[in-house]
Amino acid sequence: DQQVKQNSPSLSVQEGRISILNCDYTNSMFDYFLWYKKYPAEGPTFLISISSIKDKNEDGRFTVFLNKSAKHLSLHIVPSQPGDSAVYFCASPGGTSYGKLTFGQGTILTVHP
Amino acid sequence: GAVVSQHPSRVICKSGTSVKIECRSLDFQATTMFWYRQFPKQSLMLMATSNEGSKATYEQGVEKDKFLINHASLTLSTLTVTSAHPEDSSFYICSARDYREGAYEQYFGPGTRLTVT
Repeated sequence: DQQVKQNSPSLSVQEGRISILNCDYTNSMFDYFLWYKKYPAEGPTFLISISSIKDKNEDGRFTVFLNKSAKHLSLHIVPSQPGDSAVYFCASPGGTSYGKLTFGQGTILTVHP
Repeated sequence: GAVVSQHPSRVICKSGTSVKIECRSLDFQATTMFWYRQFPKQSLMLMATSNEGSKATYEQGVEKDKFLINHASLTLSTLTVTSAHPEDSSFYICSARDYREGAYEQYFGPGTRLTVT
């Protein structure tokens, strides 16, 4: 089974600066990861994904880096905006049937104006 | 594309009654849908995987007789909370896979807040 862990429950950054959200995983056999953003009382919104054939994937202000040797991935948001304030979850299919996702605990990002 | 809707967005019911929540994929066909539950300040907990035309697969610890799931068509899955109790109060979220895009991306509905009094 795959486990994904987000060890930082919260992160606070200033508007315009870089936000770096981290995620660790346990099983290197399962090599596809996704990041979701969630506002209170709403469903998560898919942000960006990465597979192990890449070590970086970029989409606008969002870049995900994958360090396979360290079993670690990170989401960079540059520049951070107040509207980015939300809970961010990393997730992995983990080799499960039907593609169900295992989610990390989430990191609350607060971007101050 | 890849829009998922849920209805209702909020429901209050009395203890002992049943509540049905609908999840629809609006612009794609979803052979697989998922039902999650989120407790305050916690992560998403997968309850079950719903497959069109077959029985749902429930996660360990989830009572299948209490949380009835039906995936009647490629665009609709329903979750029925039977004989609801106050401890069933939670935020329920569905998601669907769009096989046209990405390998594993799931697109989530806006969620349903259930309050059992």
